Amino acid sequence: AQKITQTQPGMFVQEKEAVTLDCTYDTSDQSYGLFWYKQPSSGEMIFLIYQGSYDEQNATEGRYSLNFQKARKSANLVISASQLGDSAMYFCAMRDNTGNQFYFGTGTSLTVIP
Amino acid sequence: KAGVTQTPRYLIKTRGQQVTLSCSPISGHRSVSWYQQTPGQGLQFLFEYFSETQRNKGNFPGRFSGRQFSNSRSEMNVSTLELGDSALYLCASGSTGYYREKLFFGSGTQLSVL
Repeated sequence: AQKITQTQPGMFVQEKEAVTLDCTYDTSDQSYGLFWYKQPSSGEMIFLIYQGSYDEQNATEGRYSLNFQKARKSANLVISASQLGDSAMYFCAMRDNTGNQFYFGTGTSLTVIP
Repeated sequence: KAGVTQTPRYLIKTRGQQVTLSCSPISGHRSVSWYQQTPGQGLQFLFEYFSETQRNKGNFPGRFSGRQFSNSRSEMNVSTLELGDSALYLCASGSTGYYREKLFFGSGTQLSVL
């Protein structure tokens, strides 16, 4: 069975600093996708970044980058130059080759301090 | 392009009642999936529909059901509500359901069962 683990229930970061949110996953599939979503208090899940299992380079999207270590089965999210608006819940998720569902981690609550 | 629309935004019901939630996906998307989010269980997959066919179902009792119409709009029904059904119900849409594809989420329906 697929499993996503996020071991940091809460994180604090100073404004303008970088922060890393951890994510490890477990799957026996060779083909899978890894995603990070942000959920502000409004409830909507906002897509941040995607990494495919066959992608050799780490994904980047603006201030977001994904530190993908396939052998260690980790997909950590790095947010550079944190902003107050980054305060939210962050979820790591995986989709396997059947593609029909996301498996989510338990989330990390990020608070950016002015 | 309009995003994923979920209605209603909030619902209050009593135990034993039934409820229907609605989701309109992004225009052109044929895949709609539903997730339940609670503080205790996190985000859990309910089911996924593609072109009016249920392709996958999560581990929920038969009281939870859904359907998808020819215009890709989807409804989720919960019968005989229990207190534990109180949750944020999120709908997500995609065009293919392929594992490399990100999902677009709505703002959710917050259901409270009294």
